[in-house]
Amino acid sequence: AQKVTQTQTSISVVEKTTVTMDCVYETRDSSYFLFWYKQTASGEIVFLIRQDSYKKENATVGHYSLNFQKPKSSIGLIITATQIEDSAVYFCAMRGDSNYQLIWGSGTKLIIKP
Amino acid sequence: ETAVFQTPNYHVTQVGNEVSFNCKQTLGHDTMYWYKQDSKKLLKIMFSYNNKQLIVNETVPRRFSPQSSDKAHLNLRIKSVEPEDSAVYLCASSSLGGRYAETLYFGSGTRLTVL
Repeated sequence: AQKVTQTQTSISVVEKTTVTMDCVYETRDSSYFLFWYKQTASGEIVFLIRQDSYKKENATVGHYSLNFQKPKSSIGLIITATQIEDSAVYFCAMRGDSNYQLIWGSGTKLIIKP
Repeated sequence: ETAVFQTPNYHVTQVGNEVSFNCKQTLGHDTMYWYKQDSKKLLKIMFSYNNKQLIVNETVPRRFSPQSSDKAHLNLRIKSVEPEDSAVYLCASSSLGGRYAETLYFGSGTRLTVL
């Protein structure tokens, strides 16, 4: 069975620092895709960044980057130079090649303090 | 900029009533989805609809049904609501779906409260 686990329920950091959110996944698929989404206070969910399992290089988009550790089935999200508006709930998700359904983690609430 | 539109934003109703939520996407995407998000923020896929092919999550009660007039619209009907249906219902779309791991674009959600 496929599963995505985010153990951090909530994280609080000071503005302009770097934060890492953890995510581990379980799959038997040899090829899979990993995603991070952000849900703002308004409820809107937006895509941030993705990592395809066959790519060795960590994905980077703006001040978001991923720490992909395939042997550990881990895909951490790193946000550098955090801003107040980064406060949101962050979801990790995975889709394997054997099942087209996107499997979601439970989310991590990020609070950025001034 | 929002390209997946959901109406209404909120809906309050009583047990046993029928409700219908609308979703329209202007992205030209081929696949649309309905998700349920509970009070703990857990996201659960309910349906996906691609080229008139409906994929249903087996755990979804039969009182839920998707309705599509074309690939830009996917509405959600709940025939006789139950208290456990209180949640936020999120519509999403992707350009391909299926075997293609495309990113999802979400609407702002419809919050349903069942009294």
